[in-house]
Amino acid sequence: RKEVEQDPGPFNVPEGATVAFNCTYSNSASQSFFWYRQDCRKEPKLLMSVYSSGNEDGRFTAQLNRASQYISLLIRDSKLSDSATYLCVVNLKWRGSQGNLIFGKGTKLSVKP
Amino acid sequence: SAVISQKPSRDICQRGTSLTIQCQVDSQVTMMFWYRQQPGQSLTLIATANQGSEATYESGFVIDKFPISRPNLTFSTLTVSNMSPEDSSIYLCSVSGGNTIYFGEGSWLTVV
Repeated sequence: RKEVEQDPGPFNVPEGATVAFNCTYSNSASQSFFWYRQDCRKEPKLLMSVYSSGNEDGRFTAQLNRASQYISLLIRDSKLSDSATYLCVVNLKWRGSQGNLIFGKGTKLSVKP
Repeated sequence: SAVISQKPSRDICQRGTSLTIQCQVDSQVTMMFWYRQQPGQSLTLIATANQGSEATYESGFVIDKFPISRPNLTFSTLTVSNMSPEDSSIYLCSVSGGNTIYFGEGSWLTVV
């Protein structure tokens, strides 16, 4: 079983749509969780951290379910500029060495006019 | 936040040659990290570059293939040696800041 699994997509949605991405992780000892955004031929950039209580940043909402080892990202009112690949990242430690980071392959989103 | 500069940003290389990628950070950091992202694949950590000691390599990566230098707290290089088409990838330099990871813009290598 892969350590971090994501639906590769692509998700093709119209502007204004709501879209949800899911991610599952295999190591129950994982401590911290993130969503990164990677534009085509660019480096990944932090979108948001994911907390057990859930967190929201504007149109973006992230949820964590530790019991099910499941992370989600919800994007409301999609914009053309949201088109990118979204990476689910899991850390076996709260902070420190990146040797404990596990990256998913990413879910590609394409928002159409 | 950290600003990370990498060069070259992209290159086309002949098989059997070696290429050195440079990474410059705008602040002093203890550890710098080198990743590879092959087409359609997830990011994979190659090694951790420690200042003043040898780099720590992840499983599947060896020093002879990916020698790393870390002469000071703001700079590191990664060399991809004796390249083959399988080495065609984006190579990313990274540092940690609190609970956040910052990446350089990446070096896109194509081996022909």
